[in-house]
Amino acid sequence: SQTIHQWPATLVQPVGSPLSLECTVEGTSNPNLYWYRQAAGRGLQLLFYSVGIGQISSEVPQNLSASRPQDRQFILSSKKLLLSDSGFYLCAWSPMTGGLETGELFFGEGSRLTVL
Amino acid sequence: GDSVTQMEGPVTLSEEAFLTINCTYTATGYPSLFWYVQYPGEGLQLLLKATKADDKGSNKGFEATYRKETTSFHLEKGSVQVSDSAVYFCALSPNTGGFKTIFGAGTRLFVKA
Repeated sequence: SQTIHQWPATLVQPVGSPLSLECTVEGTSNPNLYWYRQAAGRGLQLLFYSVGIGQISSEVPQNLSASRPQDRQFILSSKKLLLSDSGFYLCAWSPMTGGLETGELFFGEGSRLTVL
Repeated sequence: GDSVTQMEGPVTLSEEAFLTINCTYTATGYPSLFWYVQYPGEGLQLLLKATKADDKGSNKGFEATYRKETTSFHLEKGSVQVSDSAVYFCALSPNTGGFKTIFGAGTRLFVKA
């Protein structure tokens, strides 16, 4: 069966410090991968998605970046965190059927980032 | 563009009450529709889905029917439990080979014993 893990689960960082959140998927190959952010009391904002190694699409301009160095690994990074980067970050993957994405998303446990 | 609108919360109910969370959508073509649930401190889990008009998705006593004529996908449960307290998200995925699932803002449900 497929599993998805992300870490760390909780992170408290000072403004201006770097960030690295990691996500890995097991039990599937060539998944579509996503990073979402959920601000307190709000819905989900798609930040990045990837359809393959080294292929990253950004949905919103920001000081965050994403990388996919391996097929089942997706990393969210920042060189200098801002207060507004605080939130709950969710990694997700989506299976494909017949060459098309099913639209169904499987989420990791989430990483709560607090920037002070 | 495509969008999802769901009722604002929080919704507070007593145990065994009937639940309805409204969801309407705007989309071109024939999207797939989903309800996700998020328990406190956790990621989202798929609750149910429907892929074409008049389909009914169901899981754990929850149901939702894909109504194309009213562009709606309302979530219902006949008798809620305290353990159903969570945030519920309605979502759609365009069936055009795209890669973007669009989420509503979420509705927080509190169930009192």
